[in-house]
Amino acid sequence: SQTIHQWPATLVQPVGSPLSLECTVEGTSNPNLYWYRQAAGRGLQLLFYSVGIGQISSEVPQNLSASRPQDRQFILSSKKLLLSDSGFYLCAWSVPLSSYNSPLHFGNGTRLTVT
Amino acid sequence: DQQVKQNSPSLSVQEGRISILNCDYTNSMFDYFLWYKKYPAEGPTFLISISSIKDKNEDGRFTVFLNKSAKHLSLHIVPSQPGDSAVYFCAAGGAGNTGKLIFGQGTTLQVKP
Repeated sequence: SQTIHQWPATLVQPVGSPLSLECTVEGTSNPNLYWYRQAAGRGLQLLFYSVGIGQISSEVPQNLSASRPQDRQFILSSKKLLLSDSGFYLCAWSVPLSSYNSPLHFGNGTRLTVT
Repeated sequence: DQQVKQNSPSLSVQEGRISILNCDYTNSMFDYFLWYKKYPAEGPTFLISISSIKDKNEDGRFTVFLNKSAKHLSLHIVPSQPGDSAVYFCAAGGAGNTGKLIFGQGTTLQVKP
């Protein structure tokens, strides 16, 4: 069966420090991968998605970047964190031709607090 | 521009009664719609979905209704149970292989014993 691992679960970082969140998927090949963020009191906002190694699409302009160095590895990064980067970050995967009966599957998320 | 909206931030119902969660969307190109359930400090889990060619899909206590002319969908939970207390997100997806979903803001459901 497929599993998705996301770490760390919680993170407290000072403003201006770098960030690296990692996500890996097991049990499937060539998945679509996604990073979402849930800010306090808000819904889930799509940040990045990837349909293959090295292919990254950004949905919103921001202080963050994403990379996919391997088929089942997705990394969210920042060179200098801002206070507004605080939130709950979720990695997700889907099969390449996702549809209503093959939805996104989420990891357990990382709670990031920028102080 | 928010393409998927859940206008009720919270809902409280009594155990055994029906819970109705609503969602509106603006983009008529969406191909399918989904509901996710989320507990605190966890990722959302898939609950039920519906293709845009249908108007109803049922799975046990959960039924999703789609009204394309009104660009509106709803999730019915009957009977509601205390374990259903969570945040519910509706989401919409379109054609293509990106698989990306657009989520609403979420509705917090509280089912009282």
